[in-house]
Amino acid sequence: EVQLVESGGGLVQPGGSLRLSCSASGFTFKIYSMYWVRQAPGRGLEFVAGINGNGESTEYADSVKDRFSISRDNSKNTMYLQMSSLRAEDTAVYFCVRENYYYDYWGQGTLVTVSS
Amino acid sequence: EIVMTQSPATLSVSPGERATLSCRASQSVSSKLAWHQQRPGQAPRLLMYGASTRATGVPARFSGSGSGTEFTLTISSLQSEDLAVYYCQQYNDWPRTFGQGTKVEIK
Repeated sequence: EVQLVESGGGLVQPGGSLRLSCSASGFTFKIYSMYWVRQAPGRGLEFVAGINGNGESTEYADSVKDRFSISRDNSKNTMYLQMSSLRAEDTAVYFCVRENYYYDYWGQGTLVTVSS
Repeated sequence: EIVMTQSPATLSVSPGERATLSCRASQSVSSKLAWHQQRPGQAPRLLMYGASTRATGVPARFSGSGSGTEFTLTISSLQSEDLAVYYCQQYNDWPRTFGQGTKVEIK
């Protein structure tokens, strides 16, 4: 059974940093591209960042470029999102998503709140 | 980037009735269109891909159609558990983009 479990969310002050993790199981992690998608309170879904299977190719939404960094450790079946210079508008639930051409599995999400 | 536009924003349907949701792409996405269902308080889950292929475990009352720029998700006989927000998503180009969602309410 495919499982994606996010962790690392919490309350952080504006300008602060946070690292999210996504632990994967139930599939061969290294052959899939993985993504972070976020959802601000009461809002829709927004692509944040993605990384290919071997970690050599990444992409970012313009809104987080130069502030967020996506990475993965295939030996640990884990993906990360390093977030810095956080802003109030980054407040959201962050979902870990597997891509099989389309987004086929979602984690339950971890809440990031940016507030003083 | 490709802009996805869904309509209506909210759809109120009686149990057992048909619900029809629309999604339009700003440029052709071929058939690379997925639908995701997000029930209240839950994470999204894949409902449909390739515009018309149901994901594993999705009831047959859900059907999808369309190609190019116009797509439709139909729930043939609405059940109470179908209360949710439905998002279309294109995967023809990067970045992957979502529609703003259609909220299906039970009348």
